[in-house]
Amino acid sequence: DQQVKQNSPSLSVQEGRISILNCDYTNSMFDYFLWYKKYPAEGPTFLISISSIKDKNEDGRFTVFLNKSAKHLSLHIVPSQPGDSAVYFCAASAAGNMLTFGGGTRLMVKP
Amino acid sequence: NAGVMQNPRHLVRRRGQEARLRCSPVKGHSHVYWYRQLPEEGLKFMVYLQKENIIDESGMPKERFSAEFPKEGPSILRIQQVVRGDSAAYFCASSPIIENTEAFFGQGTRLTVV
Repeated sequence: DQQVKQNSPSLSVQEGRISILNCDYTNSMFDYFLWYKKYPAEGPTFLISISSIKDKNEDGRFTVFLNKSAKHLSLHIVPSQPGDSAVYFCAASAAGNMLTFGGGTRLMVKP
Repeated sequence: NAGVMQNPRHLVRRRGQEARLRCSPVKGHSHVYWYRQLPEEGLKFMVYLQKENIIDESGMPKERFSAEFPKEGPSILRIQQVVRGDSAAYFCASSPIIENTEAFFGQGTRLTVV
């Protein structure tokens, strides 16, 4: 039973355009959501997070949107750069820091 | 400031041997989590530990796997009598006591069972 799902295994975007990565969750107890970025042979690195009391959080080129009624969050990267090419994981936690991860989306940004 | 340190980075074991994976959390972090990533899959939670306590081990197989986080020293994930299906990347993460804060990950240990 996957509580956090990323339905797109891969996404290809042209440099300079917007990348939109999506994530759906089922557990209504989740109250904190995070995005991690992962390069091959490295550990995930934290990118951006959002609390359930907000619907948007922005940090530079990265913005996370949370739609609680739809149990959906998305990560927008604009403008996309070739260095953004990586696997992106969304994660969620409920009253604590134990994270439940989605399956990941491989983003490829073409020059 | 050292991040989460995992060693070894690569570990090769024959079927039936034991694998010991070590994780030193960020200094001052008292929460440690272990995750496993099978090839072409996402990160699966295994176990959540605080110093000297296992808080949640719901993601860890009941047999052959154990974890500890002693008062002194690193957290250890131990896999006894390894099988080919244990081949995966094992990631450790740590976080402070404060809730709703990001966990920091180590570089992982890639276990290969031959």
